Amino acid sequence: GQSLEQPSEVTAVEGAIVQINCTYQTSGFYGLSWYQQHDGGAPTFLSYNALDGLEETGRFSSFLSRSDSYGYLLLQELQMKDSASYFCAVSKGDKIIFGKGTRLHILP
Amino acid sequence: EPEVTQTPSHQVTQMGQEVILRCVPISNHLYFYWYRQILGQKVEFLVSFYNNEISEKSEIFDDQFSVERPDGSNFTLKIRSTKLEDSAMYFCASHGHAQETQYFGPGTRLLVL
Repeated sequence: GQSLEQPSEVTAVEGAIVQINCTYQTSGFYGLSWYQQHDGGAPTFLSYNALDGLEETGRFSSFLSRSDSYGYLLLQELQMKDSASYFCAVSKGDKIIFGKGTRLHILP
Repeated sequence: EPEVTQTPSHQVTQMGQEVILRCVPISNHLYFYWYRQILGQKVEFLVSFYNNEISEKSEIFDDQFSVERPDGSNFTLKIRSTKLEDSAMYFCASHGHAQETQYFGPGTRLLVL
């Protein structure tokens, strides 16, 4: 089967750095993506790793290690607006397979 | 910036009724998708559509579901006889070229009573 595992919830302080991990049991996928979803909103693309290593996009970075079946999303300089759910996802064929999501709580 | 739009934003229906959810993908996109998200759960792939035909579908997408691109702009999802468990948020997504980032619409919240 195919599965992506993420922590269900993470709590961090405004201004800090937080890392959200994703481990997966799937193969033959094109890349690992991260999406942000605010309550009641649509998933919004954040980052994509086609190759192993680190991708940086502003305050957000994402990492992939295919040999370890592992990736993470790193959020720096946390802001209150970053409070949302974050999903890792793999692109397989034409579809995206999503993890169950990590709810990020940010404390002032 | 172009965006995917969906109508209606909310739909309430009686069990057994047919519903049609509508999407207008970004105009030059070629690949179209439907996903659903039951409240509090993950986003689940339903179906992908390319070149006027279904390219892939999940086990959720049974005979009760169908998709159509009736004209050059709309992409619809029809549920023929709704069940209580069809209550969910339904997202449409599109992209232009293979393996590109998918852009999601705002979703239609479907409630089946």
